[in-house]
This record gives sequence, C-alpha cells and structure tokens, in this order.
Amino acid sequence: AQSVTQPDARVTVSEGASLQLRCKYSYSATPYLFWYVQYPRQGLQMLLKYYSGDPVVQGVNGFEAEFSKSDSSFHLRKASVHWSDSAVYFCAVTNSAGNKLTFGIGTRVLVRP
Amino acid sequence: ETAVFQTPNYHVTQVGNEVSFNCKQTLGHDTMYWYKQDSKKLLKIMFSYNNKQLIVNETVPRRFSPQSSDKAHLNLRIKSVEPEDSAVYLCASSDWGGAYAEQFFGPGTRLTVL
Repeated sequence: AQSVTQPDARVTVSEGASLQLRCKYSYSATPYLFWYVQYPRQGLQMLLKYYSGDPVVQGVNGFEAEFSKSDSSFHLRKASVHWSDSAVYFCAVTNSAGNKLTFGIGTRVLVRP
Repeated sequence: ETAVFQTPNYHVTQVGNEVSFNCKQTLGHDTMYWYKQDSKKLLKIMFSYNNKQLIVNETVPRRFSPQSSDKAHLNLRIKSVEPEDSAVYLCASSDWGGAYAEQFFGPGTRLTVL
C-alpha cells in the first residue's frame, strides 16, 4: 500500500524567507509524486509533479521539489515566499494506474508580513 | 469557463436524512473522483469513475453511492447521513492519462450533520 508522511503540521515563515516542506513517501514501485496546494475555501491545485528524469522539478509560482529515491522523499521548496503563499500544501503519491491518489495530511503554511 | 463545478457549496442537515451533491466538469476529462476531507484536512479518495464506469471504490459505508449520467457528471448521494459524515466533499477530474495525469478539483461541498 502506498502512503505519504508530512511531518510538519504547521510552518510559519516571514515574507521573503525561504520555505521547505518535507514529504516522505512509501510505495513499492516507482512512485508518481505530486504537490498540491489548497487556498482557503478552494479546491486543490497542482503545483508540480514528478515521475522520472531530473530529480529537481520546477512548478508554478516559483516552487520546486527534489526527489530522492534513497531517502524516499519529495521535499518542496521556495526561495522567497509571499503572503499569498499562505495555504495548506499536500504531498501525494499515486499508483501506476493513476486512479488512486494518496495524500499526506497536509502542512499549513502561514506567511507573516 | 472550463473548470470543475460543485453544488451546493454548503449543506446542513439532520441525522438520518438523505443528501445529494452534484459535480460537473467542463474540461472534457474522462475520469472523475470523489474525495472526503475531514476537519483535520485529511483527504481520502472515495470513488473514481472513468467514462461512467466505476473504477475505484474505497471502503466507504454503503449509504454512500456515486451516480454518473455521463462522463462530465458525477453525483454523490448519501442515503442516511451520520454525524461522522460531516466533512468537505471534493470532486475532481482528470484525463485518462494514467498515473501522471493532473487532477483538477472543485471548490468542495461542506456538509454539516446535526
């Protein structure tokens, strides 16, 4: 069975600071990995995804993530956050059929002005 | 406008009542999903449909039943709601592109069971 662990329930950063959100996955085969963001009172939006190739993948709004097979991780980063980045961020892994996306519990990010 | 639309936005009801939520996508996708998001933001897949056919049916109580009239619509009916059904129900859709397909989510329907 696949699973995702996001160890940080909440992260608070100052505007302009860097951000890293941790994600560890468990999946027996090659994982398909995603980061989604949920803004208040909205549905989820995909930031980026990874399956193969360069382990550093670029996403929208300046986000990037780095895949590590040895560490079973897919951490999300942003060099300089804006107040509008305040949201809940979900890491997710899917099976090879793509019909069962498993999410982590999410990390709530608060960006202080 | 192309997106995933859900109605209603909110619904408050009593234990034992029947409720029905609607989802429509205008993205031309083949696959649609229902997720449940609890008060702690935990998201779990409930069902997925591809071209009106049930593909995934996670272990959910039998009082939950999805209904698909065509590939653009996937509704969710709950026959006799329980307090633990209080949650946000998110509908999503994707191309039938396998594991790498991005899912597009609606804004959710918040259900409160009194």
